[in-house]
Parts: sequence; C-alpha cells; structure tokens
Amino acid sequence: GENVEQHPSTLSVQEGDSAVIKCTYSDSASNYFPWYKQELGKRPQLIIDIRSNVGEKKDQRIAVTLNKTAKHFSLHITETQPEDSAVYFCAASAYNQGGKLIFGQGTELSVKP
Amino acid sequence: DTAVSQTPKYLVTQMGNDKSIKCEQNLGHDTMYWYKQDSKKFLKIMFSYNNKELIINETVPNRFSPKSPDKAHLNLHINSLELGDSAVYFCASSQDKDTIYFGEGSWLTVV
Repeated sequence: GENVEQHPSTLSVQEGDSAVIKCTYSDSASNYFPWYKQELGKRPQLIIDIRSNVGEKKDQRIAVTLNKTAKHFSLHITETQPEDSAVYFCAASAYNQGGKLIFGQGTELSVKP
Repeated sequence: DTAVSQTPKYLVTQMGNDKSIKCEQNLGHDTMYWYKQDSKKFLKIMFSYNNKELIINETVPNRFSPKSPDKAHLNLHINSLELGDSAVYFCASSQDKDTIYFGEGSWLTVV
C-alpha cells in the first residue's frame, strides 16, 4: 500500500523567512496530493492541493510542487508570519483506492516574531 | 452552519465501557470517513463509507463498528474500551472520493 514520508518533523524559522516541507510517496497510482494545516486543538484544514497532471500550484504565499517521476512533492510558504505556526500534514491518495488519504507524519512549524 | 459536525467533542470514560461518537455532514457529500489521530499526531484512516456502503476497512480491532444510517451520517461505536483507544477521532466527508473535509474531532480519554 501507499506510504508517505514527510520531513522535517520540526521546523523553526524567523518571521518573514521561507519554509519548505518535503514529502515522498511510494505508490505511483497516487494522483491527488493535499496539504493540511492543523492548529493546536483544531481540525486539519485543507490549505492547498495538487493533482498529478499539474507540476506546480500557487495560492498567495503558499505553493506546492510535484515531481511525479521522483515521487515527491513539497510545500513552500513565503514571508512566514507567526499565525503560520501549526502542524502541517502532506497526504496522498488514489481515486481507485476509494479516496483513502495516507498522511505523512506531520511537520511542526514554528515562526518566531 | 458547521459542515461536518461530530458529538461529543470530549469524552472521558472507564476501561471496559462501550461508547459511541456521532457524525453528520450537511455538504451533500457521498463519502464519509473516520480517522484516528494518536498522541504523536499521526492521522490514520479507519473506515470509509460511500452512499452507506462500507468501502474501506483498515486493520482496526472489531471492537470498533461503524454504522451509516444514511449518506449524511456515520457513527462509530466502540466496545470494551481500552487505554490504547485514547485518541482524537475525526469524522470527514468528501464528494466522489475527492477533497476531504474534517469535522472538529472527538477527544476520547479512557481511564
């Protein structure tokens, strides 16, 4: 089955710097790659997603890139702000597997003012 | 207005008890899920229903039994609770197995 590895597990940056979180997946059938942000005590919330027919997607300060050949995808946050501090999860799923999302282990991002 | 709502939000119970968590979504989605988040924050799928039919059943002890009376509801019943069942249980839904939206979570503590 699918396996998703996420790095780093913790990331500390200064406000205004960029943050990059990387994930790799194992199942070449995976075709949907969402990223979720989870604040303390809250639900995971979708912040951006990318499908396998696209190499890059941007939404304001957030961008995601996908390399299908290497089976890895990354989240880039520019101009980080203290409110970006949270746990970020990458995930992968394949439609033919019932939409089952397999999550990475999570990255705890801390943005220092 | 909550899209995916689950109750109760907090549950403290003794080992050996039986408890249920209820979930409802008003998004009109056809697929619902239960995910478990452990103390290390790892999120893992437990079950998925599509139009009331069980389509995903991961390696979960049979003390856990999901029930979907209709496509807007997915409940989780847990028998003979154990200490290791303590976790946050998230209900979620999607349309046509696409983008998944999570409920607020149910914090279960077994003492």
